[in-house]
Amino acid sequence: EAGVTQFPSHSVIEKGQTVTLRCDPISGHDNLYWYRRVMGKEIKFLLHFVKESKQDESGMPNNRFLAERTGGTYSTLKVQPAELEDSGVYFCASSQRSDGYTGELFFGEGSRLTVL
Amino acid sequence: GENVEQHPSTLSVQEGDSAVIKCTYSDSASNYFPWYKQELGKGPQLIIDIRSNVGEKKDQRIAVTLNKTAKHFSLHITETQPEDSAVYFCAASRPWGSNSGYALNFGKGTSLLVTP
Repeated sequence: EAGVTQFPSHSVIEKGQTVTLRCDPISGHDNLYWYRRVMGKEIKFLLHFVKESKQDESGMPNNRFLAERTGGTYSTLKVQPAELEDSGVYFCASSQRSDGYTGELFFGEGSRLTVL
Repeated sequence: GENVEQHPSTLSVQEGDSAVIKCTYSDSASNYFPWYKQELGKGPQLIIDIRSNVGEKKDQRIAVTLNKTAKHFSLHITETQPEDSAVYFCAASRPWGSNSGYALNFGKGTSLLVTP
């Protein structure tokens, strides 16, 4: 069974440009999460989808970030326009619903974003 | 929101020695405490987790302890091997159905190096 896949693995863009990251979760996983890690800091929560609905987007930094999950399958995270502080590794994770607990998250390998 | 503190940030041990990583959390409603291991170039992977109704859990060479009163939990790795070298993250989350999201909140990570 395929794991969580993310594309691109690395993106280098200039400040002000737009980047779209894509995540394909494990088939059948209703929960999809986006996280970001800036070097040396924690893996910070961005948002959580349950199927196609945004369950929690409290971690989204500002309105330059837009996440979608049309049809409840793959998800995209768009940054427009990108700023220097957006640089980091963006992780996507998926999980099945658990019995009252968050349960195991399956992470992709991440998309490294460098904004120059 | 939940704040997870993790120490130490780096840890170097000799092969065969034990390694201990400690985390504290702030939200007394948190009920799930997983540990993730991230190897170079890969996404984080769950290695062990513990729920709030349990004080200790062991899986071969790794164990996790939880002190709910003090709001801290620890990862113990015995008989360390070079392949244990990686970045380890602790995390905490609230129960599903909580009013305020239940995504995992991660610590900043511990870079563990096991030298032969």
